[in-house]
Amino acid sequence: NAGVTQTPKFQVLKTGQSMTLQCAQDMNHNSMYWYRQDPGMGLRLIYYSASEGTTDKGEVPNGYNVSRLNKREFSLRLESAAPSQTSVYFCASRKQGVDYEQYFGPGTRLTVT
Amino acid sequence: QKEVEQDPGPLSVPEGAIVSLNCTYSNSAFQYFMWYRQYSRKGPELLMYTYSSGNKEDGRFTAQVDKSSKYISLFIRDSQPSDSATYLCAMKVQGAQKLVFGQGTRLTINP
Repeated sequence: NAGVTQTPKFQVLKTGQSMTLQCAQDMNHNSMYWYRQDPGMGLRLIYYSASEGTTDKGEVPNGYNVSRLNKREFSLRLESAAPSQTSVYFCASRKQGVDYEQYFGPGTRLTVT
Repeated sequence: QKEVEQDPGPLSVPEGAIVSLNCTYSNSAFQYFMWYRQYSRKGPELLMYTYSSGNKEDGRFTAQVDKSSKYISLFIRDSQPSDSATYLCAMKVQGAQKLVFGQGTRLTINP
């Protein structure tokens, strides 16, 4: 049972390049989330998916797109990376009916130059 | 004004001290109050949660919620160097999908 996995662990992009961050969970959770974490800002929600086939915007969705590929996988795409998207990105999942706990992946450290 | 406010610290205390971490919030609809612990270069993990108001104790950790003051606290007794981490408070409206996080407090326990 690997929990929540994320790839890649590190990435450096040039401004304007695109990339997709991958996330997968093996806990059969319905809900999945993408956050970014910046110094002094805590965790800010980018997008979430309450169930397979649905996605919704969070607090900071601009510049990002997501795909809930199936129940296990939830990807985050940066179409045209900007330096302001330099951050640590975390994926999380939550079991239906358990309101209080989200399980987080190890994060992806992204630098945009 | 943010919905959840948390002093980012950093906070540095000697081993064995009692640590108090706090958050304030503005949304009176919050019903779930959580503390997550995040070690350096790792993802956050749930440490404790409280539903509605009151206290909850788990070993050396005590979580308190005062809904009248919109104030939550986490106390760590007999602090250990292994408690050094960033502590994030998080809150949630019952039935909502989203957690709202504080900024996180970086804590260092010095041997």
